[in-house]
Amino acid sequence: SSELTQDPAVSVALGQTVRITCQGDSLRSYYASWYQQKPGQAPVLVIYGKNNRPSGIPDRFSGSSSGNTASLTITGAQAEDEADYYCNSRDSSGNRVVVFGGGTKLTVL
Amino acid sequence: QVQLQESGPGLVKPSQTLSLTCTVSGGSISSGSYYWSWIRQPAGKGLEWIGRIYTSGSTNYNPSLKSRVTISVDTSKNQFSLKLSSVTAADTAVYYCARDQDGSGSYWFDPWGQGTLVTVSS
Repeated sequence: SSELTQDPAVSVALGQTVRITCQGDSLRSYYASWYQQKPGQAPVLVIYGKNNRPSGIPDRFSGSSSGNTASLTITGAQAEDEADYYCNSRDSSGNRVVVFGGGTKLTVL
Repeated sequence: QVQLQESGPGLVKPSQTLSLTCTVSGGSISSGSYYWSWIRQPAGKGLEWIGRIYTSGSTNYNPSLKSRVTISVDTSKNQFSLKLSSVTAADTAVYYCARDQDGSGSYWFDPWGQGTLVTVSS
């Protein structure tokens, strides 16, 4: 079982804003990182740290955190944003162990 | 830019040892303060971190797999490797290697290899 909890599925109308959340005790101490995975492809990092985007990631992707919940926000969702999204962080024990959320399937309507 | 490529057998028999290698190109595996990780994904399921290695040889493993996992590094070949012993059908998955960075209060993986499917079957 995952120490990070994500909603299995979320939908958004084209051009609207959607928030994907990730909950876990470790997020009180550490930031989540976020990955986008399209079918048959490897995951791609979209957000890391407090709210950092790797080169090439559109600025419609942003990250935030409050308490034990991290959020990935897509402002003005595009059809190409339809994908699975995963969060990760350290585990809550404080050991140098990584945990992933179960993933959220984003559908753009 | 740095690229990673997994290689190894696509079919492993139950109870045997799964062995994979990740070759790093476009940069030295020893440069920078990076860890190097293995992550897997069963078909239709989520991501599971297996473990990581630093170029000094220091390792961290997923507690649920620790008894069966060994990750090693060969800096002369710019490669790191995964061995998973006593495999069962539950170990069938796409296996990814990734560069792993720790900083800014988080861990992140970037870039990733394309992944390699390993099937455990007799």
